[in-house]
Amino acid sequence: KAGVTQTPRYLIKTRGQQVTLSCSPISGHRSVSWYQQTPGQGLQFLFEYFSETQRNKGNFPGRFSGRQFSNSRSEMNVSTLELGDSALYLCASSLPSGGPTDTQYFGPGTRLTVL
Amino acid sequence: KNQVEQSPQSLIILEGKNCTLQCNYTVSPFSNLRWYKQDTGRGPVSLTIMTFSENTKSNGRYTATLDADTKQSSLHITASQLSDSASYICVVPNYGGATNKLIFGTGTLLAVQP
Repeated sequence: KAGVTQTPRYLIKTRGQQVTLSCSPISGHRSVSWYQQTPGQGLQFLFEYFSETQRNKGNFPGRFSGRQFSNSRSEMNVSTLELGDSALYLCASSLPSGGPTDTQYFGPGTRLTVL
Repeated sequence: KNQVEQSPQSLIILEGKNCTLQCNYTVSPFSNLRWYKQDTGRGPVSLTIMTFSENTKSNGRYTATLDADTKQSSLHITASQLSDSASYICVVPNYGGATNKLIFGTGTLLAVQP
C-alpha cells in the first residue's frame, strides 16, 4: 500500500505570494490533517478534514486554508505569504473511523521557503 | 494550559547503550499518549499509542511507560543502534473544548554514535 504523498517536496516563494500544497492520503483513509513544523515552535496543528468537511482547526490566521476532495485528497493554501511561514508542512492521514486512537501516518512534508 | 514537555532536549549516546526519554503532560481530559520518531527530512512515524489503562507498551527495542496519575511517560530504547538517531516526539490529543487537536512536545534529539 502506498504511503502518504505530498507535492511538491520543496517550494520557494516570495513574500506576498500565495501557495497551494497537495496531499494524497493512504488509500482508504478519509481523515487528513495538516501540520506546520518549525525549529522554534515544533509541530503545530493546522486543521483536519474528514469526508470533505473541516472537522478541527488550530490557532492559525485565516491566510491558512484547506479543502478535501471526494477522493480524500487534500490541498492546503497559504495566501499573502510572510517570512514566518517558512516551515516544513506535514500532512497525515488516518483510518476511516477518525477516532482518537487512530494512528496517523505522515507524509514526507513540503519544505516551504519564503524569501 | 494544555502542554506537553519533553526532556532532555538532546542526548548523545554510544551505540549499544540504553537511554530513556521523558514526557510530562498537562492535557485534560486525557485520552491517549503517542510517541513518534522523526528522521531528519522525513515525516514522523508512530512508535506507540498508549491509552489511559495501559502502563507499558513495547515495540521492538522501544518500550513506553505511562503513569496517568503523575501525567508522565517515558520512552526507553534498548541496545541503541545508529539508525535510532532521530527526533522523538511525544504527542497528546486534546479532545476537550471546541477544537480537537494533537498537542506536540518539542521533541528530544537523539544522536547515537559508533
